[in-house]
Amino acid sequence: DTAVSQTPKYLVTQMGNDKSIKCEQNLGHDTMYWYKQDSKKFLKIMFSYNNKELIINETVPNRFSPKSPDKAHLNLHINSLELGDSAVYFCASSQDFRTSIGEADTQYFGPGTRLTVL
Amino acid sequence: GIQVEQSPPDLILQEGANSTLRCNFSDSVNNLQWFHQNPWGQLINLFYIPSGTKQNGRLSATTVATERYSLLYISSSQTTDSGVYFCAVSNGNNRLAFGKGNQVVVIP
Repeated sequence: DTAVSQTPKYLVTQMGNDKSIKCEQNLGHDTMYWYKQDSKKFLKIMFSYNNKELIINETVPNRFSPKSPDKAHLNLHINSLELGDSAVYFCASSQDFRTSIGEADTQYFGPGTRLTVL
Repeated sequence: GIQVEQSPPDLILQEGANSTLRCNFSDSVNNLQWFHQNPWGQLINLFYIPSGTKQNGRLSATTVATERYSLLYISSSQTTDSGVYFCAVSNGNNRLAFGKGNQVVVIP
């Protein structure tokens, strides 16, 4: 069974389009995250949700809007796609976001979605 | 924010060799994880190790929190160990800050 899954795996689209990436986890975790990996493989956090509530919102253009319909799902919608949005987007989850409580804050990553904007 | 530096950036190993990867961080942390990104792009969780030592097969890791560094040891390397190894740390809200990675190539 896949623990953290993302769809689609690959997404090729034109500049200006709107697209969504979906993420689901079956680990029973309360916290989910979106990370972006650029062409130099640098990974940076974008958002975090705990039990459907936003807890981390890094400096990300407001064209990016996360949505968490329930604690097992965290989707990422991107409006007016730009060339610079091309990257691999990873979803992750952890049992909790509060740290110093043992391994409950261990993050598990999905397989990634490679977004190419033409 | 917290800074994470990994060394060496690139490493070429002969199959069967041992190696040590290092992660230095600029502030105290309450979460530290090591990941392996394989050639297919999958991020595999290797260790959760904000302090202490852990071992899993041919891999082991040690974090000395008071001195702000962590080491990942690979023993008897195999070609399947190739990929990028990332160290990631957090000191609040589980906001993981990643290093730039150690690119490891194991040649047969």
